Amino acid sequence: AQSVTQPDIHITVSEGASLELRCNYSYGATPYLFWYVQSPGQGLQLLLKYFSGDTLVQGIKGFEAEFKRSQSSFNLRKPSVHWSDAAEYFCAVAARYGNKLVFGAGTILRVKS
Amino acid sequence: DVKVTQSSRYLVKRTGEKVFLECVQDMDHENMFWYRQDPGLGLRLIYFSYDVKMKEKGDIPEGYSVSREKKERFSLILESASTNQTSMYLCASSPTGVTNEQFFGPGTRLTVL
Repeated sequence: AQSVTQPDIHITVSEGASLELRCNYSYGATPYLFWYVQSPGQGLQLLLKYFSGDTLVQGIKGFEAEFKRSQSSFNLRKPSVHWSDAAEYFCAVAARYGNKLVFGAGTILRVKS
Repeated sequence: DVKVTQSSRYLVKRTGEKVFLECVQDMDHENMFWYRQDPGLGLRLIYFSYDVKMKEKGDIPEGYSVSREKKERFSLILESASTNQTSMYLCASSPTGVTNEQFFGPGTRLTVL
């Protein structure tokens, strides 16, 4: 069965600083990988996804993520964080054949000015 | 613009009441999902449906049931609400196929007193 680990429950970064949120997954084959963001009081919005091909994927709002098979990781990055990026971020994995997602526990990002 | 709507943003019920949470999507998606979200636990799948009148249990179905009589509508039912069902409930939908991208509603925060 798939599983997702997000090791950091909370992260605080200064506005303008770079950001990396960690995600490790467990799955026997190459999975589909997703990052979602949830702003306060909102539903989840897809930031980016990886299915195949180039292991560095670009998403919305200036985010990118890199799939590293050898490390079973799919870390999310942003070169310069804005105050509006404060939110909770979820990594998710889906099996290649199926419709279910398995989510990590989430990382809450706080941005300080 | 794609849309998933949930009938209530906030709901307060008493222990033992029967509770209905409604979800409607306008994207003609085959798949619909119900999750509950709790701090530190991420999103956990309660039930999902891949077609009208079809349903499958997710990871935490106990105490819940679902109904899907029409393609666009997926209802979550708490037969006899309990305080441990106080949570945020998120509905999502997705098309059938390999992308597995899910689109989320804004959530219903349910409090059971």
